[in-house]
Amino acid sequence: SQQGEEDPQALSIQEGENATMNCSYKTSINNLQWYRQNSGRGLVHLILIRSNEREKHSGRLRVTLDTSKKSSSLLITASRAADTASYFCATPDRGSTLGRLYFGRGTQLTVWP
Amino acid sequence: GAVVSQHPSRVICKSGTSVKIECRSLDFQATTMFWYRQFPKQSLMLMATSNEGSKATYEQGVEKDKFLINHASLTLSTLTVTSAHPEDSSFYICSARDPRHLPGYTFGSGTRLTVV
Repeated sequence: SQQGEEDPQALSIQEGENATMNCSYKTSINNLQWYRQNSGRGLVHLILIRSNEREKHSGRLRVTLDTSKKSSSLLITASRAADTASYFCATPDRGSTLGRLYFGRGTQLTVWP
Repeated sequence: GAVVSQHPSRVICKSGTSVKIECRSLDFQATTMFWYRQFPKQSLMLMATSNEGSKATYEQGVEKDKFLINHASLTLSTLTVTSAHPEDSSFYICSARDPRHLPGYTFGSGTRLTVV
């Protein structure tokens, strides 16, 4: 079963603008991860935020986590056309030792030059 | 960093035939690998967890006899789609668990399966 649900499902912006994507999840977590997927390709890990962290930065990426609301957001600042991709949040299955990772629906981001 | 190689990247097969997809961890040993299926413009759906030397753990609703998983070594897991039908056409992605480093998951580049 999917853990995270993203919104919006699709986002279209101009280069230079900021892009914000949101993710909600259902159960308690140890961490939440964000991934990027270019069309027809595998996933690339972007950033991980632990359950005891509220905000984390990596370059132009800023991730927040609100465990009380079971939600996270990914902000991409000063977007570029190369940021065009699908973005997914994912949470590891805390209830087993298998280490399964469950993904949200994803946000398709299009950045126009 | 950790590298996972998935092969083939694209495959077209006829209905009724079987197709094998390989997932290899190139520079680390992966006792656990995962297989996902992705439909166009949708999320990744976890199909099964592959454990070296033991039977795979399938997610609810995934047919074990349809999607055979073998994890015979610490660096190789295979997914075989048996008696493929057009509805099996999809994008399949593997992931290997590397607990040495966070986040601990490295993904293959995916396989586009088309059944005609």
